[in-house]
Amino acid sequence: DGGITQSPKYLFRKEGQNVTLSCEQNLNHDAMYWYRQDPGQGLRLIYYSQIVNDFQKGDIAEGYSVSREKKESFPLTVTSAQKNPTAFYLCASSPRTGSTVNTEAFFGQGTRLTVV
Amino acid sequence: AQKVTQAQTEISVVEKEDVTLDCVYETRDTTYYLFWYKQPPSGELVFLIRRNSFDEQNEISGRYSWNFQKSTSSFNFTITASQVVDSAVYFCALSEYGAGKSTFGDGTTLTVKP
Repeated sequence: DGGITQSPKYLFRKEGQNVTLSCEQNLNHDAMYWYRQDPGQGLRLIYYSQIVNDFQKGDIAEGYSVSREKKESFPLTVTSAQKNPTAFYLCASSPRTGSTVNTEAFFGQGTRLTVV
Repeated sequence: AQKVTQAQTEISVVEKEDVTLDCVYETRDTTYYLFWYKQPPSGELVFLIRRNSFDEQNEISGRYSWNFQKSTSSFNFTITASQVVDSAVYFCALSEYGAGKSTFGDGTTLTVKP
Protein backbone atom coordinates (compact mmCIF):
# COMPACT_ATOMS: atom_id res chain seq x y z
CA ASP A 1 0.00 0.00 0.00
CA GLY A 2 1.16 3.54 -0.69
CA GLY A 3 1.91 5.76 2.23
CA ILE A 4 4.44 7.37 4.53
CA THR A 5 6.43 5.31 6.98
CA GLN A 6 8.11 6.85 9.98
CA SER A 7 10.42 4.91 12.21
CA PRO A 8 10.86 4.27 14.99
CA LYS A 9 7.50 4.95 16.63
CA TYR A 10 9.13 5.65 20.00
CA LEU A 11 12.66 6.87 20.53
CA PHE A 12 14.62 7.61 23.66
CA ARG A 13 17.74 9.72 23.59
CA LYS A 14 20.26 10.70 26.17
CA GLU A 15 21.09 14.35 26.52
CA GLY A 16 23.97 15.37 24.29
CA GLN A 17 23.34 12.71 21.67
CA ASN A 18 22.27 13.19 18.10
CA VAL A 19 19.44 11.04 16.81
CA THR A 20 17.98 10.51 13.34
CA LEU A 21 14.30 10.00 12.58
CA SER A 22 13.43 8.14 9.42
CA CYS A 23 10.73 9.11 6.92
CA GLU A 24 10.08 7.15 3.74
CA GLN A 25 7.25 7.61 1.22
CA ASN A 26 6.24 5.52 -1.78
CA LEU A 27 3.65 7.98 -3.08
CA ASN A 28 6.02 9.51 -5.63
CA HIS A 29 5.48 12.92 -4.03
CA ASP A 30 7.83 15.77 -4.78
CA ALA A 31 7.47 17.69 -1.54
CA MET A 32 8.20 16.46 1.98
CA TYR A 33 7.90 18.16 5.37
CA TRP A 34 8.87 17.74 9.00
CA TYR A 35 6.63 19.12 11.73
CA ARG A 36 6.99 19.15 15.48
CA GLN A 37 3.97 18.83 17.76
CA ASP A 38 4.04 19.65 21.47
CA PRO A 39 1.18 18.85 23.87
CA GLY A 40 -1.78 21.15 23.36
CA GLN A 41 -0.16 22.87 20.44
CA GLY A 42 -0.43 22.73 16.72
CA LEU A 43 2.17 21.58 14.26
CA ARG A 44 5.21 23.74 13.71
CA LEU A 45 7.29 23.41 10.56
CA ILE A 46 10.92 22.38 11.03
CA TYR A 47 12.17 21.82 7.47
CA TYR A 48 10.66 21.18 4.08
CA SER A 49 11.90 20.02 0.71
CA GLN A 50 10.26 20.62 -2.64
CA ILE A 51 12.73 18.64 -4.71
CA VAL A 52 15.62 16.22 -4.33
CA ASN A 53 18.86 17.77 -3.07
CA ASP A 54 17.10 20.94 -1.96
CA PHE A 55 15.46 21.91 1.32
CA GLN A 56 14.48 25.04 3.25
CA LYS A 57 14.26 25.95 6.90
CA GLY A 58 10.87 26.23 8.47
CA ASP A 59 9.87 28.21 11.54
CA ILE A 60 11.86 26.21 14.12
CA ALA A 61 14.89 24.79 12.29
CA GLU A 62 17.48 25.51 14.98
CA GLY A 63 19.00 22.32 16.38
CA TYR A 64 17.76 20.18 13.49
CA SER A 65 19.22 19.06 10.17
CA VAL A 66 17.84 17.19 7.16
CA SER A 67 18.92 15.70 3.86
CA ARG A 68 17.04 14.86 0.68
CA GLU A 69 19.27 12.59 -1.38
CA LYS A 70 16.39 10.52 -2.70
CA LYS A 71 12.86 11.46 -3.62
CA GLU A 72 11.34 8.92 -1.28
CA SER A 73 13.44 9.69 1.81
CA PHE A 74 13.67 12.75 4.08
CA PRO A 75 15.46 11.91 7.35
CA LEU A 76 15.54 14.37 10.23
CA THR A 77 18.47 14.60 12.65
CA VAL A 78 17.83 16.07 16.06
CA THR A 79 21.19 17.38 17.21
CA SER A 80 22.48 18.02 20.69
CA ALA A 81 22.02 21.73 19.97
CA GLN A 82 18.24 21.33 20.18
CA LYS A 83 17.54 22.44 23.73
CA ASN A 84 14.14 20.85 24.20
CA PRO A 85 13.82 17.95 21.77
CA THR A 86 11.15 15.93 23.60
CA ALA A 87 8.13 16.09 21.28
CA PHE A 88 6.04 14.26 18.71
CA TYR A 89 7.51 14.50 15.20
CA LEU A 90 5.40 14.17 12.09
CA CYS A 91 6.61 13.73 8.54
CA ALA A 92 4.39 14.59 5.61
CA SER A 93 4.47 14.70 1.84
CA SER A 94 2.41 16.30 -0.90
CA PRO A 95 2.23 15.66 -4.64
CA ARG A 96 3.45 19.01 -5.84
CA THR A 97 4.13 22.51 -4.79
CA GLY A 98 4.79 25.76 -6.58
CA SER A 99 2.04 24.96 -9.07
CA THR A 100 -1.51 26.16 -9.39
CA VAL A 101 -2.88 23.71 -6.90
CA ASN A 102 -2.01 23.38 -3.26
CA THR A 103 -2.85 19.83 -2.48
CA GLU A 104 -3.30 18.40 0.94
CA ALA A 105 -0.47 16.72 2.80
CA PHE A 106 -0.28 13.04 3.65
CA PHE A 107 1.13 12.27 7.08
CA GLY A 108 3.04 9.46 8.68
CA GLN A 109 2.11 8.07 12.09
CA GLY A 110 4.79 10.04 13.86
CA THR A 111 7.78 9.42 16.09
CA ARG A 112 7.60 10.26 19.77
CA LEU A 113 11.03 11.35 20.95
CA THR A 114 11.86 11.49 24.63
CA VAL A 115 15.12 12.78 26.06
CA VAL A 116 16.15 10.92 29.20
CA ALA B 1 2.73 36.46 8.43
CA GLN B 2 0.02 33.87 8.53
CA LYS B 3 -1.90 32.88 11.62
CA VAL B 4 -4.62 30.35 12.38
CA THR B 5 -6.67 30.55 15.55
CA GLN B 6 -8.83 27.78 16.92
CA ALA B 7 -10.32 29.37 20.01
CA GLN B 8 -11.93 26.18 21.29
CA THR B 9 -9.31 24.10 23.05
CA GLU B 10 -11.63 21.28 24.07
CA ILE B 11 -15.22 20.40 23.29
CA SER B 12 -17.24 17.62 24.86
CA VAL B 13 -20.60 16.50 23.50
CA VAL B 14 -22.92 13.57 23.88
CA GLU B 15 -23.38 11.24 20.95
CA LYS B 16 -25.85 12.45 18.30
CA GLU B 17 -25.36 16.11 19.17
CA ASP B 18 -24.23 18.49 16.45
CA VAL B 19 -20.91 20.24 17.03
CA THR B 20 -19.17 23.13 15.25
CA LEU B 21 -15.43 23.70 15.36
CA ASP B 22 -14.34 27.27 14.76
CA CYS B 23 -11.34 28.46 12.75
CA VAL B 24 -10.27 32.05 12.13
CA TYR B 25 -7.26 32.87 9.98
CA GLU B 26 -5.07 35.83 9.10
CA THR B 27 -3.14 36.27 5.88
CA ARG B 28 -2.06 39.08 3.57
CA ASP B 29 -2.29 36.85 0.54
CA THR B 30 -5.24 37.17 -1.80
CA THR B 31 -4.87 33.56 -2.91
CA TYR B 32 -4.55 30.87 -0.30
CA TYR B 33 -5.80 27.46 0.72
CA LEU B 34 -7.53 26.26 3.86
CA PHE B 35 -7.59 22.72 5.20
CA TRP B 36 -9.13 20.67 7.98
CA TYR B 37 -7.31 17.62 9.32
CA LYS B 38 -8.33 15.04 11.92
CA GLN B 39 -5.80 13.49 14.31
CA PRO B 40 -7.10 10.33 15.98
CA PRO B 41 -5.28 8.84 19.00
CA SER B 42 -3.00 6.91 16.65
CA GLY B 43 -1.30 10.22 15.85
CA GLU B 44 -1.49 10.32 12.06
CA LEU B 45 -3.22 13.39 10.62
CA VAL B 46 -6.00 12.59 8.18
CA PHE B 47 -7.04 15.09 5.54
CA LEU B 48 -10.72 16.08 5.57
CA ILE B 49 -11.21 19.02 3.22
CA ARG B 50 -9.41 21.69 1.19
CA ARG B 51 -10.81 25.05 0.07
CA ASN B 52 -9.14 27.77 -1.98
CA SER B 53 -9.79 31.45 -1.38
CA PHE B 54 -11.85 31.78 -4.56
CA ASP B 55 -14.28 29.04 -3.63
CA GLU B 56 -16.69 30.17 -0.94
CA GLN B 57 -19.22 27.51 -1.76
CA ASN B 58 -20.05 25.62 1.38
CA GLU B 59 -19.98 21.88 1.24
CA ILE B 60 -21.73 18.99 2.87
CA SER B 61 -20.23 15.54 2.85
CA GLY B 62 -22.22 13.00 4.80
CA ARG B 63 -22.27 14.15 8.42
CA TYR B 64 -19.60 16.79 7.78
CA SER B 65 -20.17 20.32 6.52
CA TRP B 66 -17.95 23.34 6.12
CA ASN B 67 -18.73 27.06 6.21
CA PHE B 68 -16.12 29.29 4.57
CA GLN B 69 -16.70 33.04 4.94
CA LYS B 70 -13.98 35.19 3.46
CA SER B 71 -15.54 38.38 4.84
CA THR B 72 -14.95 37.20 8.40
CA SER B 73 -11.84 35.09 7.65
CA SER B 74 -13.50 32.02 9.07
CA PHE B 75 -13.57 28.39 7.99
CA ASN B 76 -15.79 26.48 10.40
CA PHE B 77 -16.43 22.76 10.46
CA THR B 78 -19.64 21.08 11.66
CA ILE B 79 -20.26 17.46 12.51
CA THR B 80 -23.93 16.51 12.49
CA ALA B 81 -25.15 13.69 14.73
CA SER B 82 -21.72 13.13 16.27
CA GLN B 83 -20.43 9.65 16.97
CA VAL B 84 -17.88 8.30 19.44
CA VAL B 85 -15.52 7.61 16.52
CA ASP B 86 -15.43 11.35 15.83
CA SER B 87 -13.41 11.83 19.02
CA ALA B 88 -10.07 13.27 17.92
CA VAL B 89 -8.06 16.45 17.67
CA TYR B 90 -9.09 18.58 14.70
CA PHE B 91 -6.69 21.02 13.06
CA CYS B 92 -7.38 23.91 10.76
CA ALA B 93 -4.48 24.88 8.46
CA LEU B 94 -3.65 27.68 6.01
CA SER B 95 -1.31 27.52 3.04
CA GLU B 96 -0.01 30.23 0.76
CA TYR B 97 -0.61 29.84 -2.94
CA GLY B 98 2.03 27.56 -4.40
CA ALA B 99 3.88 27.20 -1.12
CA GLY B 100 2.91 23.69 -0.11
CA LYS B 101 3.79 24.14 3.55
CA SER B 102 1.00 25.04 5.96
CA THR B 103 0.45 27.03 9.13
CA PHE B 104 -1.61 25.09 11.65
CA GLY B 105 -3.90 26.17 14.47
CA ASP B 106 -3.40 24.70 17.92
CA GLY B 107 -6.19 22.19 17.41
CA THR B 108 -9.52 21.47 19.06
CA THR B 109 -9.89 18.26 21.05
CA LEU B 110 -13.34 16.83 20.50
CA THR B 111 -14.67 14.20 22.87
CA VAL B 112 -17.93 12.50 21.99
CA LYS B 113 -19.41 10.57 24.89
CA PRO B 114 -21.79 7.65 24.40
